[in-house]
Amino acid sequence: LAKTTQPISMDSYEGQEVNITCSHNNIATNDYITWYQQFPSQGPRFIIQGYKTKVTNEVASLFIPADRKSSTLSLPRVSLSDTAVYYCLVGDVFTGGGNKLTFGTGTQLKVEL
Amino acid sequence: NAGVMQNPRHLVRRRGQEARLRCSPMKGHSHVYWYRQLPEEGLKFMVYLQKENIIDESGMPKERFSAEFPKEGPSILRIQQVVRGDSAAYFCASSPRLAGGADNEQFFGPGTRLTVL
Repeated sequence: LAKTTQPISMDSYEGQEVNITCSHNNIATNDYITWYQQFPSQGPRFIIQGYKTKVTNEVASLFIPADRKSSTLSLPRVSLSDTAVYYCLVGDVFTGGGNKLTFGTGTQLKVEL
Repeated sequence: NAGVMQNPRHLVRRRGQEARLRCSPMKGHSHVYWYRQLPEEGLKFMVYLQKENIIDESGMPKERFSAEFPKEGPSILRIQQVVRGDSAAYFCASSPRLAGGADNEQFFGPGTRLTVL
């Protein structure tokens, strides 16, 4: 199993950039790295996905070093509405089985004024 | 295009009863995944289905739990003889292709919160 490790919680203020790092030392060759956001009483929502180097979309950037043993989700200029739990997911159902889609405990991000 | 639909949103059962959770995937999606989330924990994979087939049920308890995704209609997660430990939020997700690959995100429903008294 490609176990992931994230900080349990992070605090930030509005307007700041937030970087959340996820460790995944046992990542397999076919594994992609996906980040989700979850608000209370809701299902997770896809943020970004990558395989290597850097990926950027309209809400976040994902940095993946060459060895792929970690990844960093970067949220530019966070707002109060970004307060949520962020999950890092490493897996590929096709080659690794469904258990690779097990989410960790995530990082609780709290944004304050 | 409506998102993933789950019903009921809240379900209360007494010990020993059966719970049926329904999930309608997004239009055009033929892959469905069920997850369970216990309080203060992350989501745990239970089962992955395609139309009429169970692809991977490695995360589902061997007894009392079953899942199906018939040719017509929603996917059903069925829990027989519920116990208090089954109390959790159950999320369904769908994708157009195999999850985990490039450009293949899972779209999650709002979840069903099961409470066993």
